[in-house]
Order: sequence, then C-alpha cells, then structure tokens
Amino acid sequence: NAGVTQTPKFQVLKTGQSMTLQCAQDMNHNSMYWYRQDPGMGLRLIYYSASEGTTDKGEVPNGYNVSRLNKREFSLRLESAAPSQTSVYFCASSESRRPSGANVLTFGAGSRLTVL
Amino acid sequence: AQSVTQPDIHITVSEGASLELRCNYSYGATPYLFWYVQSPGQGLQLLLKYFSGDTLVQGIKGFEAEFKRSQSSFNLRKPSVHWSDAAEYFCAVNYGGSQGNLIFGKGTKLSVKP
Repeated sequence: NAGVTQTPKFQVLKTGQSMTLQCAQDMNHNSMYWYRQDPGMGLRLIYYSASEGTTDKGEVPNGYNVSRLNKREFSLRLESAAPSQTSVYFCASSESRRPSGANVLTFGAGSRLTVL
Repeated sequence: AQSVTQPDIHITVSEGASLELRCNYSYGATPYLFWYVQSPGQGLQLLLKYFSGDTLVQGIKGFEAEFKRSQSSFNLRKPSVHWSDAAEYFCAVNYGGSQGNLIFGKGTKLSVKP
C-alpha cells in the first residue's frame, strides 16, 4: 500500500519555466492538500481540495494553480517559476470530505524544487 | 491570528536521556492537537494526536504528550531517547470551523549524542 505518492522527487527549473507536481493517493481519501516547507517556517498550506471537483486557497496560494483530476490525484502547477518558489513541496490526504478539526493527514515523501 | 509556537529550534540530548519538546498554541475553543515527526529526506509521520478525553495521550515509538488547557500547551515527551529519534518534530493544531486546516509550528530539530 503506497499511501501518498509524489513525483518528481527532485526538479531544477530556470526562472520563468513551468512545471507540474503530481500527487496520487490510494487510500480512497476525500481531501487532498499541497504544502510547502521552508527552513524555519514549518509547513504552509498552498491549496486544498475537500472533494473531487473542488479546490480552495490556503495560506500561500499566489503563483500556483491546482487541479483535482479525480478522487486519487491532485496536481500543483507553477506557471512561471520564481526563485521564491524554491522549496520542498508536500502532498497530503485525509479521509474527511469536509473541513474538520479531527482530520488526520497522511503525507507524501516530498518534492524538492529548486528555481534558479 | 491563530498560531502554534515551538520555542526551541534545535535541541541536543544524549542517548538514553529524557526528552521534552514544547508546544504552545494560541487560544481557541476545542483545539485538535497533533505531533508529527520528519526524518531527514522523508515526509511527515503522525506521532500522536489529541481530540478529547484523557489529557495524556500515547503515541508511536514510545512518545507521549500532555494537553494542558490552562497553559495552552501540548508538550511531547519521551523517557529515554534513542539515536533513531533524531529528526525534526512538528506540533500542529486544527481549530475546525469553516476551513479546518492544520496550522503547523516551525519545528524543533532533535539531535541525539551517543
């Protein structure tokens, strides 16, 4: 049982290039999330999707777009990468179909992105 | 704004010594509290959670945490640290409500001396 799978694990981009981070979960979870992790900042929520077909902004959505392709997959797109988007990106999922304090998140292993 | 504070950025303990990692959250009704651990190059793994009931909760890997509402704290403890516990530890809180999303602390990096 793979849990949450992210691809790619590493990526180097030049400023202005675009790319998509892919995330898939096999736990039949309803909600999915994208976080970024920066040194000394903890994890910050970029976007989340409480169910297939819905997405909502988190704390730091600027410069990103997301697509909830189906129940299993949630992608994060950088249309024009900037050095400030150099970070480690984590995808997560949870069973709850609506926001809930009791949501327990399962995380992927992360994708390290460097923008030159 | 709601927040989570982990006052210690980096802690070093000797193997076999006890450990306490501090976490304070800003006031809010019915906080749901979590501790996650991140080993180098890995994702986050849930150590334990508190939703209600007994304020002392047990987690995986021999960790426990105590919820103290009067102090707005949820400190993580382990009686005897192993070298494999070296990792970064994140406290997180969820207040539920319209968004119900996790708010993470900035993390505490634990180093273990042999």
